[in-house]
Amino acid sequence: EVQLVESGGGLVQPGGSLRLSCAASGFTFSSYWMSWVRQAPGKGPEWLANIKQDGSEKYYMDYVKGRFTISRDNAKNSLYLQMNSLSAEDTAIYYCAKTTPAGIYYYFDLWGRGTLVTVSS
Amino acid sequence: DIQMTQSPSSLSASVGDRVTITCRASQIISSYLNWYQQKPGKAPKLLIYAASTLQSGVPSRFSGSGSGADFTLTISSLQPEDFATYYCQQSYTEWTFGQGTKVEIK
Repeated sequence: EVQLVESGGGLVQPGGSLRLSCAASGFTFSSYWMSWVRQAPGKGPEWLANIKQDGSEKYYMDYVKGRFTISRDNAKNSLYLQMNSLSAEDTAIYYCAKTTPAGIYYYFDLWGRGTLVTVSS
Repeated sequence: DIQMTQSPSSLSASVGDRVTITCRASQIISSYLNWYQQKPGKAPKLLIYAASTLQSGVPSRFSGSGSGADFTLTISSLQPEDFATYYCQQSYTEWTFGQGTKVEIK
């Protein structure tokens, strides 16, 4: 089955850290860019970061640059997001998303179910 | 950052209605525009990419149009399973989403 399964979310105190994981199956993980997208309660989705097939290129939303790090392990078909210096504004459901090209156009065509991160004291 | 503005924020419609949602980018983005559908408690689902290309498996009652900075998602005949929130998303640079349009039952 083609799927993405996130894990690692939970309750963390302000200033704390968390590492999210995303396990991919059913497609050739190493052939695709991958992304992290989050969605705060009652808000629209927000793209955070993406990473090239071999990990050689990474891009981040300005708000998380320097705090979040995206990485991948193609041997394990896994994507990761290391999150540091968390604040209440980071409370959201975090999704990993397969990022597919159609020529020069990219889109998110496979999403996981998400993992909830709650930042609170 | 490129801002994406959707209108309306919500709408009420009946089964069988034609529904149109618009999305405006704060700068020209050519056809780097995708549309997603999201139902409560679920992840977004891709409907349209590159402004007008229907994703495989998506019903043909969904269509997208536009280029430059102004885009439209049209549902030609609203079905019960289409009541959801719809988001546009630009992939031109530092990808951003619109704030969403909630389609509710009238």
